[in-house]
Amino acid sequence: QQQVKQSPQSLIVQKGGISIINCAYENTAFDYFPWYQQFPGKGPALLIAIRPDVSEKKEGRFTISFNKSAKQFSLHIMDSQPGDSATYFCAASISGEGNTPLVFGKGTRLSVIA
Amino acid sequence: DSGVTQTPKHLITATGQRVTLRCSPRSGDLSVYWYQQSLDQGLQFLIQYYNGEERAKGNILERFSAQQFPDLHSELNLSSLELGDSALYFCASSEISGNTIYFGEGSWLTVV
Repeated sequence: QQQVKQSPQSLIVQKGGISIINCAYENTAFDYFPWYQQFPGKGPALLIAIRPDVSEKKEGRFTISFNKSAKQFSLHIMDSQPGDSATYFCAASISGEGNTPLVFGKGTRLSVIA
Repeated sequence: DSGVTQTPKHLITATGQRVTLRCSPRSGDLSVYWYQQSLDQGLQFLIQYYNGEERAKGNILERFSAQQFPDLHSELNLSSLELGDSALYFCASSEISGNTIYFGEGSWLTVV
């Protein structure tokens, strides 16, 4: 049973374009939704995270949009650059009382081409 | 640099053998997590320890075991290895469970 479903599996975007990666979750108790970025040969690193009390969070060129009723959240990368080429993972967990480890989506391999 | 240290970085071993992967968490982090990354399954949660005690268990095989020592470092033991166990094994740590976790650079295990 996959608790977090991520799409697409791979994505090719032109430099300067917008990259959009989507995730859907099943457990309505999840209350922490991070995105991780992984470069080849490295461990995943936190990129940006959101909690369900807001519908959007922006940090530089990276934005998370969150739709609680649809149980979906997405990562938007504006003005995509070749340096953004990496694998992106969405994740979800329960924080606070009864907290759980992060459950990850299967990842999206992003290639930004010039 | 996340502050999480994993050794060894690469390991090649034969089927049926046993290996131990080691992890030192970030300074001050009490929680340690182990994840397995393979091409088709993404990041699979294996097990979590908090201050020496097992806290949560995921898709960890019975052939695998882990522990966290008093100095908070952790070891993942993989035994009776099969070809399908070839993967990248990540250790991660956090101060508080359920929030941001910080990954090491992983241990590449190849079973031949």
